[in-house]
Amino acid sequence: EAQVTQNPRYLITVTGKKLTVTCSQNMNHEYMSWYRQDPGLGLRQIYYSMNVEVTDKGDVPEGYKVSRKEKRNFPLILESPSPNQTSLYFCASQGATNEKLFFGSGTQLSVL
Amino acid sequence: GNSVTQMEGPVTLSEEAFLTINCTYTATGYPSLFWYVQYPGEGLQLLLKATKADDKGSNKGFEATYRKETTSFHLEKGSVQVSDSAVYFCALSGGSYIPTFGRGTSLIVHP
Repeated sequence: EAQVTQNPRYLITVTGKKLTVTCSQNMNHEYMSWYRQDPGLGLRQIYYSMNVEVTDKGDVPEGYKVSRKEKRNFPLILESPSPNQTSLYFCASQGATNEKLFFGSGTQLSVL
Repeated sequence: GNSVTQMEGPVTLSEEAFLTINCTYTATGYPSLFWYVQYPGEGLQLLLKATKADDKGSNKGFEATYRKETTSFHLEKGSVQVSDSAVYFCALSGGSYIPTFGRGTSLIVHP
């Protein structure tokens, strides 16, 4: 089954404690991206990747890092989380331009 | 740059009512247009799409027509059900890998 898998589903942490949210897709897609979803603000893109070792900033990249060492994986790293990064995060992948995005189930992050 | 504007919610309807969620866009060239749906506690999933002017996308009783002259892609359903309660996102993809999303419209359907 074609899918994007994110882990963990829920995460509670404290300010400054490094964390990683994993994302993996099984469709051999070149394009992957991370979004955060906040009430009233919709989806905002954090980072995206066109292929292995190719990443670029989205609309709200501050405080986040990503890496794309393998085609299937695209982890999101928060080196020093802060409370304003409390949000619902989604990973997505896409097989070709103008095709649909496949989304993960989301990670609800709370930074205390 | 590209942009998508959709009506603010929440939209509250009774079961079997007619639904319209407005979506307009700004883009260069000829983008593909999408509606995604997000059910409570889940990620977004594609509801329907249209790739060129006058195309009609349809799925699960929902329809939307790509109107280039009015740069619109309004979502409609003739008779909503409680199970349609969700957040709906209009989006466009303009030939690159970077889609543009609207802010989402929450739909609440009462029995």
